[in-house]
Amino acid sequence: AQKITQTQPGMFVQEKEAVTLDCTYDTSDQSYGLFWYKQPSSGEMIFLIYQGSYDEQNATEGRYSLNFQKARKSANLVISASQLGDSAMYFCAMREPRRGGSYIPTFGRGTSLIVHP
Amino acid sequence: ETGVTQTPRHLVMGMTNKKSLKCEQHLGHNAMYWYKQSAKKPLELMFVYSLEERVENNSVPSRFSPECPNSSHLFLHLHTLQPEDSALYLCASSPGQAEWGSPGELFFGEGSRLTVL
Repeated sequence: AQKITQTQPGMFVQEKEAVTLDCTYDTSDQSYGLFWYKQPSSGEMIFLIYQGSYDEQNATEGRYSLNFQKARKSANLVISASQLGDSAMYFCAMREPRRGGSYIPTFGRGTSLIVHP
Repeated sequence: ETGVTQTPRHLVMGMTNKKSLKCEQHLGHNAMYWYKQSAKKPLELMFVYSLEERVENNSVPSRFSPECPNSSHLFLHLHTLQPEDSALYLCASSPGQAEWGSPGELFFGEGSRLTVL
């Protein structure tokens, strides 16, 4: 069963507008972490933002914020004031405890964001 | 400049060739990862090393052989590959066993684009 679901294969947004990228997750653990990564055309995956399952406040990092709704198991990424350089693939990931004490994230299929001038 | 360097960036090989992908991290991390990224598929975890010991191997075919000689270097040896192995291979590192309260995010290289003819 898919642990991370990103239902939007592609999104378009006008420069300077805000955009929300959806992510829902599935876990039976109480302790887990949620991440968003950005992958520009160069290929490198860049860490954007993290939300721990026990964090009561939504995480924010500059223009990025994570809309964490624990009961709905959703962790949407909000990008405010979009810039042309935000055009990239965006991946949601979840880290949950595994056998042996390792913590390895599982990734969603990604959403392609295109920012129009 | 990324703290994780992958070489080569592009590789074209025949099905009977033997080649290797190299990853080097300059971040002092204890864990290193190989991921495979194919078109229209989620990121697939292949191997994880923690303190130079393999802790995860997600049923990867034996034609892929990892090697981790020290905590800074990770190799992926390739032999008798198939055309369906063509993909972007991403290396990542992390501080190690993540402490809850800290993200433990992955730091990725720019990837090695592999084409198998």
